[in-house]
Amino acid sequence: EAQVTQNPRYLITVTGKKLTVTCSQNMNHEYMSWYRQDPGLGLRQIYYSMNVEVTDKGDVPEGYKVSRKEKRNFPLILESPSPNQTSLYFCASSFGLAYYNEQFFGPGTRLTVL
Amino acid sequence: AQKITQTQPGMFVQEKEAVTLDCTYDTSDQSYGLFWYKQPSSGEMIFLIYQGSYDEQNATEGRYSLNFQKARKSANLVISASQLGDSAMYFCAMRVVGGATNKLIFGTGTLLAVQP
Repeated sequence: EAQVTQNPRYLITVTGKKLTVTCSQNMNHEYMSWYRQDPGLGLRQIYYSMNVEVTDKGDVPEGYKVSRKEKRNFPLILESPSPNQTSLYFCASSFGLAYYNEQFFGPGTRLTVL
Repeated sequence: AQKITQTQPGMFVQEKEAVTLDCTYDTSDQSYGLFWYKQPSSGEMIFLIYQGSYDEQNATEGRYSLNFQKARKSANLVISASQLGDSAMYFCAMRVVGGATNKLIFGTGTLLAVQP
């Protein structure tokens, strides 16, 4: 089954404790992206990757890191989480970069930073 | 600036009735795609329907149709014969060609409640 998977689905952590949210897709997609969703703000892009070893900042990159060492994986790293990073996080992927390429979303990760 | 506006924070509809969720967009690009996603209370994002800027006919997918009015820059979602399972948050989104990040630009969403 074609899908985007994220782990963990739920995470409660404390300020300053490094964490990684994994994202993997099995569709051989070139483009992958991370979004965060906050009430009243919709989804905002954190980082994106156009291919292996090619990553760049989105709209809200502060406090996050990413890597793309393999085509299928695009982990999101919070090196020193803070309460303002409490949010619902989505990983997404698409086959290409065209405007008509649908982005497939993972199931989401609910992160709470205390 | 590229932007999606959804002016209805919440809506009610009676079961079996049709409902229209509003979406207006702003872009100076000629090539763009408009997407609608459904987000149930469980949180996942479910793709519903797509409309390309060059598509002359309105997109339809089962009970979902997109009322695309290019001159007005609107892309309203119409759900016919609402069902209780349609209760969810609905997001309108846009993707433009040549955008620096190739991201989806999302609206703030409309929370739809279907009443029996």
